[in-house]
Amino acid sequence: AQSVTQPDIHITVSEGASLELRCNYSYGATPYLFWYVQSPGQGLQLLLKYFSGDTLVQGIKGFEAEFKRSQSSFNLRKPSVHWSDAAEYFCAVADGSGNTGKLIFGQGTTLQVKP
Amino acid sequence: DADVTQTPRNRITKTGKRIMLECSQTKGHDRMYWYRQDPGLGLRLIYYSFDVKDINKGEISDGYSVSRQAQAKFSLSLESAIPNQTALYFCATSDPGQGEQYFGPGTRLTVT
Repeated sequence: AQSVTQPDIHITVSEGASLELRCNYSYGATPYLFWYVQSPGQGLQLLLKYFSGDTLVQGIKGFEAEFKRSQSSFNLRKPSVHWSDAAEYFCAVADGSGNTGKLIFGQGTTLQVKP
Repeated sequence: DADVTQTPRNRITKTGKRIMLECSQTKGHDRMYWYRQDPGLGLRLIYYSFDVKDINKGEISDGYSVSRQAQAKFSLSLESAIPNQTALYFCATSDPGQGEQYFGPGTRLTVT
């Protein structure tokens, strides 16, 4: 069965520091992978997605993620964190064809940014 | 205006009451979803619908029902609410083959 694991429940970084949020997935075929962000009181907003091709994908708000098939990982990175990045981040996987339309979400990682 | 709207945004209800959460979308998508979010558990799929005549159970459908009144409207009902249904509920939409989903702002439901 498909699954997504985000090993870090809570991460605190200083403003201006770099960030990496980890995501590991379990899926037999080529996955469609996503990172979403949820700001307090808001719905989920798509940061970036990987379907195929270049394994380093760029997203909005200066985020990027790298797909590593050998490690079954899709980690999210940002070189310099801003206070407005404090939020909860979710990694998700869909099946490779995208036809099921269903997403499996990780447990989420809460990011706190220190001034 | 938001592409995916949910009403109400907050609701407090008592055990045993019937409650309906509504979702509307202007994206023109055929596919719609209902999720619940609980702390530490991420989002879990309750029901999904690929068109008006196609409704499917998700991971945690027990205690819930849905109605797809039109392409743009998808409602979630709790027939007899219980306290462990206290959660944040999200509606989402997607296009076939795109994979990504577009989320509403959520409904915070508290069952006392």
